Amino acid sequence: EIVLTQSPGTLSLSPGERATLSCRASQSVSTSYLAWYQQKPGQAPRLLIYGASSRATGIPDRFSGSGSGTDFTLTISRLEPEDFAVYYCQQYGRSPTFGQGTKVEIK
Amino acid sequence: QVQLVESGGGVVQPGGSLRLSCAASGFTFSSYGMHWVRQAPGKGLEWVSFIPYDGSNKYYADSVKGQFTISRDNSKNTLYLQMNSLRAEDTAVYYCCRGSTGFDYWGQGTLVTVSS
Repeated sequence: EIVLTQSPGTLSLSPGERATLSCRASQSVSTSYLAWYQQKPGQAPRLLIYGASSRATGIPDRFSGSGSGTDFTLTISRLEPEDFAVYYCQQYGRSPTFGQGTKVEIK
Repeated sequence: QVQLVESGGGVVQPGGSLRLSCAASGFTFSSYGMHWVRQAPGKGLEWVSFIPYDGSNKYYADSVKGQFTISRDNSKNTLYLQMNSLRAEDTAVYYCCRGSTGFDYWGQGTLVTVSS
């Protein structure tokens, strides 16, 4: 099983600031199969990024993904009020796994 | 528009069974693999099971292998999860998700509570 470790656990930032979220895998992940999701309280997760760097339909361009191998990053260039949420990385190969999540909270 | 609507959750005693359903609409259901993902209260996401578009194979997380069975009825545009021998640790919101480039659509989830 591929274990994904996200850091930091919590990120305290102000609107307008840049957020950088990290996801490290226990073994190499094909970039084709790395995704990021956003989840707000009481809601289902929403796909933001697939294939490590491709934005899903309707996702604003302030969200970007990068990385390869075992190290991946989600960047939110300028935080909007609606971006404060929990973010999960995921590898969706044969046996998908999720990271434990990073909470982006208002400072 | 794509819609996934789960149903069948509820309160069940330890050792009991439940069958979850996920009604799909707004896309060609028979062309997509489908997943179940669960989230225990206050916890992260856990992938549970996957079935390809034609139901030809079934894949499970180790935590539910031999306990849960995924199936689909393409004539009814519906995905199922049969859950047996339920334990307290199976308490969670269960989501069905469309498998594509990532899990691109999610239902709203159905809560399963295992408690005496």
